[in-house]
Amino acid sequence: ETGVTQSPTHLIKTRGQQVTLRCSSQSGHNTVSWYQQALGQGPQFIFQYYREEENGRGNFPPRFSGLQFPNYSSELNVNALELDDSALYLCASSRQGGGTGELFFGEGSRLTVL
Amino acid sequence: GQNIDQPTEMTATEGAIVQINCTYQTSGFNGLFWYQQHAGEAPTFLSYNVLDGLEEKGRFSSFLSRSKGYSYLLLKELQMKDSASYLCAVMDSNYQLIWGAGTKLIIKP
Repeated sequence: ETGVTQSPTHLIKTRGQQVTLRCSSQSGHNTVSWYQQALGQGPQFIFQYYREEENGRGNFPPRFSGLQFPNYSSELNVNALELDDSALYLCASSRQGGGTGELFFGEGSRLTVL
Repeated sequence: GQNIDQPTEMTATEGAIVQINCTYQTSGFNGLFWYQQHAGEAPTFLSYNVLDGLEEKGRFSSFLSRSKGYSYLLLKELQMKDSASYLCAVMDSNYQLIWGAGTKLIIKP
């Protein structure tokens, strides 16, 4: 148990739809990172939020957007879904400015786009 | 570009020892992580190296050579539950994690 929770755990959408994924970070953590993991691949960094501001972004188009709230929980929004967006979406929390930067992952949200 | 290389798949026998290698080329270096990921589950933290040398934690050890851009994860006394993917990740100069594709470890009785 990492103390990081994600919802929903599984969902199915169709091309062109929009999806919102949610993440509650571990107590005491102020940084949330989102990753996309395709089957058989390592996680790909989408973006990171620190104190409600985007603090780094990977090579993902603008239709991937996010938010971090004052309680450090976070949302990932994906617009105009494409088939290739089908993947496991992982949220990880950490404490910026202290420790090793170890990431604590939630169980993930598995998105299938038909 | 940034690159993390590790073998795609390895097979080992229960009770034996296995070494999973990782080489990296990144813009800056702020530490190297190893994570374990069972099928369908989230990655879980195994080890962190920022200085050269060996870090031992029970049956698992991790080694780092920054000059060679090289690390390995050593698993001893293998158990069936060690069957999983092992992910190598490097924290770059922007404190972002760059991940390898993972090594699928298969343990046979």
